[in-house]
Amino acid sequence: KQEVTQIPAALSVPEGENLVLNCSFTDSAIYNLQWFRQDPGKGLTSLLLIQSSQREQTSGRLNASLDKSSGRSTLYIAASQPGDSATYLCAVYSGTYKYIFGTGTRLKVLA
Amino acid sequence: GAVVSQHPSRVICKSGTSVKIECRSLDFQATTMFWYRQFPKKSLMLMATSNEGSKATYEQGVEKDKFLINHASLTLSTLTVTSAHPEDSSFYICSARVEGLETQYFGPGTRLLVL
Repeated sequence: KQEVTQIPAALSVPEGENLVLNCSFTDSAIYNLQWFRQDPGKGLTSLLLIQSSQREQTSGRLNASLDKSSGRSTLYIAASQPGDSATYLCAVYSGTYKYIFGTGTRLKVLA
Repeated sequence: GAVVSQHPSRVICKSGTSVKIECRSLDFQATTMFWYRQFPKKSLMLMATSNEGSKATYEQGVEKDKFLINHASLTLSTLTVTSAHPEDSSFYICSARVEGLETQYFGPGTRLLVL
């Protein structure tokens, strides 16, 4: 059974810092992994989608890497801004055609 | 990109009433849609898989008579919360699978509050 864990559960950093969010999964047989952002009371915004054959994806200040063999993905946020404050979720898409979500990391960037 | 909409975005109802939530794929056909539930400060949990023209497949622990799912067309799935109770208050999100592409597109979610 696929299990997805995110560390840390919460993170508070001063503006301008580079930071790394971690996601680990127990079953490496995945199609893809996706990182989402969720603002309080809102839905999901897809940030980056990494296919199983890919090592990383980049979008602006965001970079996501995938190491399928070790069951890990990281989301790197460069030069963090207060507007980056949100909950970040990673989700793994496996052969059962289901997304299994991680527990999330609540990020707060202080001005 | 593919767009999935949900209606309503927010609903408040009295205990004992039924509430219907719609999930639509706007610019593609989705033979499979998924319904997730999110408890406060928790992650999303898959409730059921909705297949067009057939019965939904429910995850363990989800009451099928409580959460009725209908996928009558390739662009619409509905979730009906029957005889709603305050503990059903939650954030419900749907997603749609694109046939042939191993990914899903997520709707904006519906916040349900049962008084």
